[in-house]
Amino acid sequence: EPEVTQTPSHQVTQMGQEVILRCVPISNHLYFYWYRQILGQKVEFLVSFYNNEISEKSEIFDDQFSVERPDGSNFTLKIRSTKLEDSAMYFCASRGQGLGELFFGEGSRLTVL
Amino acid sequence: GQQLNQSPQSMFIQEGEDVSMNCTSSSIFNTWLWYKQDPGEGPVLLIALYKAGELTSNGRLTAQFGITRKDSFLNISASIPSDVGIYFCAGRDSGGGADGLTFGKGTHLIIQP
Repeated sequence: EPEVTQTPSHQVTQMGQEVILRCVPISNHLYFYWYRQILGQKVEFLVSFYNNEISEKSEIFDDQFSVERPDGSNFTLKIRSTKLEDSAMYFCASRGQGLGELFFGEGSRLTVL
Repeated sequence: GQQLNQSPQSMFIQEGEDVSMNCTSSSIFNTWLWYKQDPGEGPVLLIALYKAGELTSNGRLTAQFGITRKDSFLNISASIPSDVGIYFCAGRDSGGGADGLTFGKGTHLIIQP
């Protein structure tokens, strides 16, 4: 069964460092998303991406964040200069045309020290 | 932004009991989704609802899209140990072309032996 895959599963970084989280969405999906979940809290929307551009972003998604689809399969989230409060699980999700269902990856745990 | 109230926050039940949880929103939604999340993993889609009044089942799970479009419930019948986890409702606002999902805070289901 097709699935969303994410790498790395866990990344530990020093405050101020740049981090890139990678995702391979389901192959025929057109809409891509990043969400984050701080430990013990709810899942929060960060950004949606369609047709090679951001279609919506939340107030969490500030200038330190960027997304890119560098080729036909990968979808990346970059945090330019990490802060302690960026420590969270980051989930990539995708959905197909006309469908409402989002399918999530297993997540990338980011720990900022 | 949209607010989702999910209740109860946690449930302690005996194996075999039925479970009911619900979500209410401050605005009208055009999509309701129910997810289950196991520790350290991404949310897994259980049921998707697209029309007011829609009642959908997936095995022992049943969910309904409220008539007012501002609420949804999920029922689990005859709970089993593998039902343990956190259940999230998620909705998509019908106005403004919003694409990102808003998640509830989750219902933590614990089954006592």
